[in-house]
Amino acid sequence: QQQVKQSPQSLIVQKGGISIINCAYENTAFDYFPWYQQFPGKGPALLIAIRPDVSEKKEGRFTISFNKSAKQFSLHIMDSQPGDSATYFCAASIGGKLIFGQGTELSVKP
Amino acid sequence: EAGVTQFPSHSVIEKGQTVTLRCDPISGHDNLYWYRRVMGKEIKFLLHFVKESKQDESGMPNNRFLAERTGGTYSTLKVQPAELEDSGVYFCASSQVGLFRPTYGYTFGSGTRLTVV
Repeated sequence: QQQVKQSPQSLIVQKGGISIINCAYENTAFDYFPWYQQFPGKGPALLIAIRPDVSEKKEGRFTISFNKSAKQFSLHIMDSQPGDSATYFCAASIGGKLIFGQGTELSVKP
Repeated sequence: EAGVTQFPSHSVIEKGQTVTLRCDPISGHDNLYWYRRVMGKEIKFLLHFVKESKQDESGMPNNRFLAERTGGTYSTLKVQPAELEDSGVYFCASSQVGLFRPTYGYTFGSGTRLTVV
């Protein structure tokens, strides 16, 4: 019940395309859903986050769509760029503790 | 503002040895967290300090792992004796006291890559 399931495991997108990463959860007590971006040799960095009472949040090229009834949320990266190539983690928070998805390795080809 | 600092960045030790990882949180951040990522798997919560007190240590794998945060500043995570399955990247994160909010800057360090051979 504490799991967050993330897919796909890896994703290859052409420059300018849309990258979509999906996550699903079970525990309705989760109160905050962040996405993290991680480059090799670095720690995860907060990219964008959403609260469960909001259905969509957009920051620049990054959008979170949140479906509370389906217990699913997704990250959309519009106009994907080679510099977006990284590992992306979805997460869910409960009491300040983060439960992470398995991660998605995104590669954006020029 | 300095970020969360972890060292060493890499450590290779033999099975049975002891290793101590250190984390220096952002100054003023009373919340300190340890996480671990075993290769290819999700990042998993280990424990949470509020100042020097352990708030939640439900993720600690076993009693070979000991975390301390003396004086509520830096924290250490000791593995003794290390086993092969302890290999992975250990991340530390810190945030300000209070209700968890994204604006409170839950910030991760770059991690310590531990390899047990």
